[in-house]
Amino acid sequence: QKEVEQNSGPLSVPEGAIASLNCTYSDRGSQSFFWYRQYSGKSPELIMSIYSNGDKEDGRFTAQLNKASQYVSLLIRDSQPSDSATYLCAVLTDEKLTFGTGTRLTIIP
Amino acid sequence: EAEVAQSPRYKITEKSQAVAFWCDPISGHATLYWYRQILGQGPELLVQFQDESVVDDSQLPKDRFSAERLKGVDSTLKIQPAELGDSAMYLCASSPGTGPFHEQFFGPGTRLTVL
Repeated sequence: QKEVEQNSGPLSVPEGAIASLNCTYSDRGSQSFFWYRQYSGKSPELIMSIYSNGDKEDGRFTAQLNKASQYVSLLIRDSQPSDSATYLCAVLTDEKLTFGTGTRLTIIP
Repeated sequence: EAEVAQSPRYKITEKSQAVAFWCDPISGHATLYWYRQILGQGPELLVQFQDESVVDDSQLPKDRFSAERLKGVDSTLKIQPAELGDSAMYLCASSPGTGPFHEQFFGPGTRLTVL
């Protein structure tokens, strides 16, 4: 069983709509959760971090964490073509960061 | 804005040759990480430094890979000899310290192609 699982996509969303990206993790002891955005050929860029159950909002981005269900998600409101990228979920367990394989998101103009 | 610096950005080498990558973390960041990212996968940790000490190198193929951070600031990752399967993006990241609230920030990476 993979430690961090994401749907690889591609996920296609119309411009202006809400994009919803999901991630599940296997270790109940995981402490911190991160979303990175990675454009093709570029390095990962941190966009959100979340540490406790509930929602955390930053601009058009909302991260949601449910530790009981071992589930973390990222919502992107008012999706823009510039949001087209691969989104990596990363989970910190015992001070080690484990990444999912990423979900490729395409925003359709 | 403070950034992690890496060089070179691209490296093409032949198998059995030696290659080296350099990383300069964000100023003041005590923790430095080297990751390898194969196309279509997430980054995987190779080695973690806290200041000049290795904290975790359990996934570093030590028969061919070595890493050092002699003065606790910049770091070098070396591969000798390179193999075809080493073709990947090598990413350096840094964080202010360890613990659950320390975010990791990545440099631009070095794209390695082994022919």
